[in-house]
Amino acid sequence: DIQMTQSPSSLSASVGDRVTITCRASQSISSYLNWYQQKPGKAPKLLISAASNLQSGVPSRFSGSGSGTDLTLTISSLQPEDFATYYCQQTYATPRTFGQGTRVLIK
Amino acid sequence: QVQLQESGPGLVKPSGTLSLTCAVSGASISSNYWWTWVRQPPGKGLEWIGEIYHSGDTHYNPSLRSRVTMSLDNSKNQFSLKLTSVTAADTAVYYCARDYFSGSHELDFWGQGTLVTVSS
Repeated sequence: DIQMTQSPSSLSASVGDRVTITCRASQSISSYLNWYQQKPGKAPKLLISAASNLQSGVPSRFSGSGSGTDLTLTISSLQPEDFATYYCQQTYATPRTFGQGTRVLIK
Repeated sequence: QVQLQESGPGLVKPSGTLSLTCAVSGASISSNYWWTWVRQPPGKGLEWIGEIYHSGDTHYNPSLRSRVTMSLDNSKNQFSLKLTSVTAADTAVYYCARDYFSGSHELDFWGQGTLVTVSS
């Protein structure tokens, strides 16, 4: 199985801050990586597919980059509605494993 | 708009079988999609259980493969998950999702999730 390790596991940030979350794969996954946002009690929501493709309706402050083993999700200016848990998922191979999640908290 | 809705017992006894169904509207399960199950133990992260293609082909997580079966019911436009020999470790919110493939896989539509508790 491909192991996905997210860092940090949690972070505290203020509205307006730039936030970067990293996902490291145990082997190269090219750009086969998705990012999801999950709020408490809700299903995950797809934000970015194939490392950098922003989904329709997702604010442009979200962006994804990288390929190979190190990929990142950036929120350019954190908004109140962005406080949530973020997961990466590799789709290079089955099982399509998720990272352990990064919880973004209000500072 | 595509909608998915999980249903099934919320309580299963240890050593029993967990059975869930995902009803799909707004899309046909016989179209070129993979249909996926993901679970999330309380307070923990997401675990990919497996996927089934419209052809009936399946991929299961090796950690669960010996206990998992997924199937399609085209007449009802729904797909199902069976997990046998459950233990407390299988207590989780179970989500069904559509996997849209266009060069890469992406879970673009999700059900709201259903909590299944394994307890006597």
